Amino acid sequence: ETGVTQSPTHLIKTRGQQVTLRCSSQSGHNTVSWYQQALGQGPQFIFQYYREEENGRGNFPPRFSGLQFPNYSSELNVNALELDDSALYLCASAGDTGELFFGEGSRLTVL
Amino acid sequence: RKEVEQDPGPFNVPEGATVAFNCTYSNSASQSFFWYRQDCRKEPKLLMSVYSSGNEDGRFTAQLNRASQYISLLIRDSKLSDSATYLCVVNIEGSYIPTFGRGTSLIVHP
Repeated sequence: ETGVTQSPTHLIKTRGQQVTLRCSSQSGHNTVSWYQQALGQGPQFIFQYYREEENGRGNFPPRFSGLQFPNYSSELNVNALELDDSALYLCASAGDTGELFFGEGSRLTVL
Repeated sequence: RKEVEQDPGPFNVPEGATVAFNCTYSNSASQSFFWYRQDCRKEPKLLMSVYSSGNEDGRFTAQLNRASQYISLLIRDSKLSDSATYLCVVNIEGSYIPTFGRGTSLIVHP
């Protein structure tokens, strides 16, 4: 158990819709990051939050946005969904050693 | 050229075999390195960090070659339970962005 939980575990959306994915990090971990993992690929960094401020962003368009809350929870929002957004979305909190603790992910299918 | 490259495999080996994976990185400012293991349809989990002097954890040995810009993972006496995808992760100095390779698939058969 990593102490990181994500919801929902699976969901299906249609093109153009919006989705919100949620993550609850380990208590005491101030850094949370989100990743997109397509089938057969490694996780791609979307963005990272530290104490509720975004402090790093990967090569994703602005329709991918996020929030981090004081209670160690965070959200990933994706607007105007496209078929290529279908993937496993992983949330990870970081310990002091830099180790990433991942949740089990939210598997999004866009039809 | 991708920042972090791995041979996707699959590496198909019998139980008891020794297998090695390499991961090359393109940015010489890369500072910290990790191997993660990901089971099918599960989340990645840290297997081991990679130190400059090399490090060993039981049957697993990780090494870093800065001159040639690659890290390696050696698994001795492979077990069926070692079957998984092994992800290489590289952090660049001063960057908050960890870069993952696409992973190397290992299948250990009886």
